[in-house]
Amino acid sequence: GDSVTQMEGPVTLSEEAFLTINCTYTATGYPSLFWYVQYPGEGLQLLLKATKADDKGSNKGFEATYRKETTSFHLEKGSVQVSDSAVYFCALSGQRGSQGNLIFGKGTKLSVKP
Amino acid sequence: EPEVTQTPSHQVTQMGQEVILRCVPISNHLYFYWYRQILGQKVEFLVSFYNNEISEKSEIFDDQFSVERPDGSNFTLKIRSTKLEDSAMYFCASSEPGGHIFGPGTRLTVL
Repeated sequence: GDSVTQMEGPVTLSEEAFLTINCTYTATGYPSLFWYVQYPGEGLQLLLKATKADDKGSNKGFEATYRKETTSFHLEKGSVQVSDSAVYFCALSGQRGSQGNLIFGKGTKLSVKP
Repeated sequence: EPEVTQTPSHQVTQMGQEVILRCVPISNHLYFYWYRQILGQKVEFLVSFYNNEISEKSEIFDDQFSVERPDGSNFTLKIRSTKLEDSAMYFCASSEPGGHIFGPGTRLTVL
């Protein structure tokens, strides 16, 4: 069945460092791909998404490109801030659009030190 | 900005008791979902609901679980006889064209 694999955390960075969180997926068909973020004590928030190959999702300085050839959707940010400390989840939906259920990776905890 | 709300934020119950977790999805959304996250593990899909009926459910969603939209605004998840392994965060979500909007979650602790 469909699945998502994320790099293991936790990841600890200094402020202004470059961030990469790897995500690869296995899916039949053409899934939509998502990154969600969970700040301490809060629910899951959609960070960015991409619905087809070569799409780039971006938001709040974060980017991820849908790479069908490598089945990847790695999350990047050029300069992290302390406020980016959170758990990041990669997810896919097997159906185009947003109505299908989401399959999540295990999450990667990011801690940014001042 | 519209949001999904969930109550209670934390529920403690004894094994074998029934619990009802409540959610108020965003009013003009049509698809609703429940997910759970056991501590330290991944977020798992339980069930999706559309047009007043279950549209898809996972193997986790067995006969102990049920969902209901009793009054057109609330969306509930009932666990009939809780087990220790039901302890988890339960997230409700509703979807729009951009993606799922999640509630803050209910932490269920089964003793």
